[in-house]
Amino acid sequence: EPEVTQTPSHQVTQMGQEVILRCVPISNHLYFYWYRQILGQKVEFLVSFYNNEISEKSEIFDDQFSVERPDGSNFTLKIRSTKLEDSAMYFCASRWINTGELFFGEGSRLTVL
Amino acid sequence: QQQVKQSPQSLIVQKGGISIINCAYENTAFDYFPWYQQFPGKGPALLIAIRPDVSEKKEGRFTISFNKSAKQFSLHIMDSQPGDSATYFCAATDISGSRLTFGEGTQLTVNP
Repeated sequence: EPEVTQTPSHQVTQMGQEVILRCVPISNHLYFYWYRQILGQKVEFLVSFYNNEISEKSEIFDDQFSVERPDGSNFTLKIRSTKLEDSAMYFCASRWINTGELFFGEGSRLTVL
Repeated sequence: QQQVKQSPQSLIVQKGGISIINCAYENTAFDYFPWYQQFPGKGPALLIAIRPDVSEKKEGRFTISFNKSAKQFSLHIMDSQPGDSATYFCAATDISGSRLTFGEGTQLTVNP
């Protein structure tokens, strides 16, 4: 069964460092998303991406965050200067059409020290 | 307006019992209401979803009941099993489908 894959599964970084989280969405999907989940809390929307541009972003997704689809398969989330409060599980998700089922990856746990 | 409120926060049910989780929303533009199941260390996985043109949808032991006038929807798990023990999130989105708004989650424990 096709799946969304994410790397790394866990990253530990120092405050102020740049982090790149990588995702390989399901191959024929056109809509891509990043969500985050702080430990024990609900899943929060960060950004959606379609046709090589951001279609919507939340108030969490400030200038420290950026997304990119550098090639035909990868979808990345960059945090330029990490803060303690960026510690969370980051989930990539994708769907074929904007009304289709949303498939989540297993997440990348980011710990900022 | 964008919030989805979910209750209870945690739920303990005996094997074979019925688990009921409730959600309420405010945004009348929401028109797609999925439920996600999340096991520890895993991403959320779609369990069942409903659109507001029907009041109920059943898939196996899982049923969504939807009350459009009250802006509420609920998940019922019949014959709950220990393998159902997980965190359940309700969610909602509008026709654009761009942003899923999640509820706070319910940690379900089914005792053997």
